Amino acid sequence: GAVVSQHPSWVICKSGTSVKIECRSLDFQATTMFWYRQFPKQSLMLMATSNEGSKATYEQGVEKDKFLINHASLTLSTLTVTSAHPEDSSFYICSARRGVVLDYGYTFGSGTRLTVV
Amino acid sequence: GNSVTQMEGPVTLSEEAFLTINCTYTATGYPSLFWYVQYPGEGLQLLLKATKADDKGSNKGFEATYRKETTSFHLEKGSVQVSDSAVYFCALFYNQGGKLIFGQGTELSVKP
Repeated sequence: GAVVSQHPSWVICKSGTSVKIECRSLDFQATTMFWYRQFPKQSLMLMATSNEGSKATYEQGVEKDKFLINHASLTLSTLTVTSAHPEDSSFYICSARRGVVLDYGYTFGSGTRLTVV
Repeated sequence: GNSVTQMEGPVTLSEEAFLTINCTYTATGYPSLFWYVQYPGEGLQLLLKATKADDKGSNKGFEATYRKETTSFHLEKGSVQVSDSAVYFCALFYNQGGKLIFGQGTELSVKP
């Protein structure tokens, strides 16, 4: 079946540094990848949608310059949290989709727990 | 706008008890509805789905019926097991945006 690998699973970084999170589709080509953020006891909030070879589309209220998304190939998307601050601490989850819009083939990564100290 | 509301957790049940997790939605048009499950330390997995009114999705003993008149998609299982302990997310998908919108998740804990 479709597998999405997300790395790292957890990371602790100092305030002011940048952190990169990778999302890879291991056995399929992902036309579109999504990045979500999840606060404790809260829903997954969509941050951005990325299509291979084009700029990511960010949701309203998400800072493009803070959360850099690169989707350089059909199997890899990265989220870089730049100049991280404690309020960026959260659980980040990626999702990859195969096929066209009407195809419900979404596969999720296992998430990355980011703690900024 | 489009949104999903789930009952708050955590829900704690004894093994073999009946489970209901309520989910209601607000959406324009006719979205598709989903339940996802997240086991500890893992990603979200699709549990079941329904694409139109009155459809019933089912999987692993779980069921949910798409009720347009009450804008609901409640998750049910007749007899839960300890292995069902997880966080359950209700979600809707609308074609115009091609995006999944999630509820806040409901944690289920099943005790032996």
